[in-house]
Amino acid sequence: GESVGLHLPTLSVQEGDNSIINCAYSNSASDYFIWYKQESGKGPQFIIDIRSNMDKRQGQRVTVLLNKTVKHLSLQIAATQPGDSAVYFCAENNPGTYKYIFGTGTRLKVLA
Amino acid sequence: ETGVTQSPTHLIKTRGQQVTLRCSSQSGHNTVSWYQQALGQGPQFIFQYYREEENGRGNFPPRFSGLQFPNYSSELNVNALELDDSALYLCASSLDHHEQFFGPGTRLTVL
Repeated sequence: GESVGLHLPTLSVQEGDNSIINCAYSNSASDYFIWYKQESGKGPQFIIDIRSNMDKRQGQRVTVLLNKTVKHLSLQIAATQPGDSAVYFCAENNPGTYKYIFGTGTRLKVLA
Repeated sequence: ETGVTQSPTHLIKTRGQQVTLRCSSQSGHNTVSWYQQALGQGPQFIFQYYREEENGRGNFPPRFSGLQFPNYSSELNVNALELDDSALYLCASSLDHHEQFFGPGTRLTVL
């Protein structure tokens, strides 16, 4: 069935290093992908999105890469800061519907 | 902050009871989606309301129902509560199905 999953449940990085969070999706027809950040006690916060007609999109300190051949999505965070500590989710949008399918999340821990 | 508010923030119920959760969407938004997030999991889509009509539903039983009002605020109702309904319930609002903005959620505990 449809699923969005993550390879690593927990990622620890040193402050100032770059972080890479990975995600695999199974629905090759999905055409829109989003990364969310969720801090403790809060709802998910939009970080960056990408459509299936692109393979890379950059934001402020973040870059999303999409590899449709292997159905893989990644989020790169440059110069990781303590405030980046959170759980990160990727989500895919089913074409023709408005349903977002979320993965189980990766916890990012930033070490001082 | 996104401007999406939810009430109450926490709620404790017992099995078999009914619960109503509320969501006020961000100003100008006409679409509200509800999600259930179990501990340690990603949000699971329950359903979406667009201009007061249900516009898509996930794999949840009929005892999960909802409403959207003319001001685009929304309610999620759950009947005959079960222990597994314990979760964080999130609503997200958007304008015409575009980027979703999430509220802080309601933490429901079923005993």
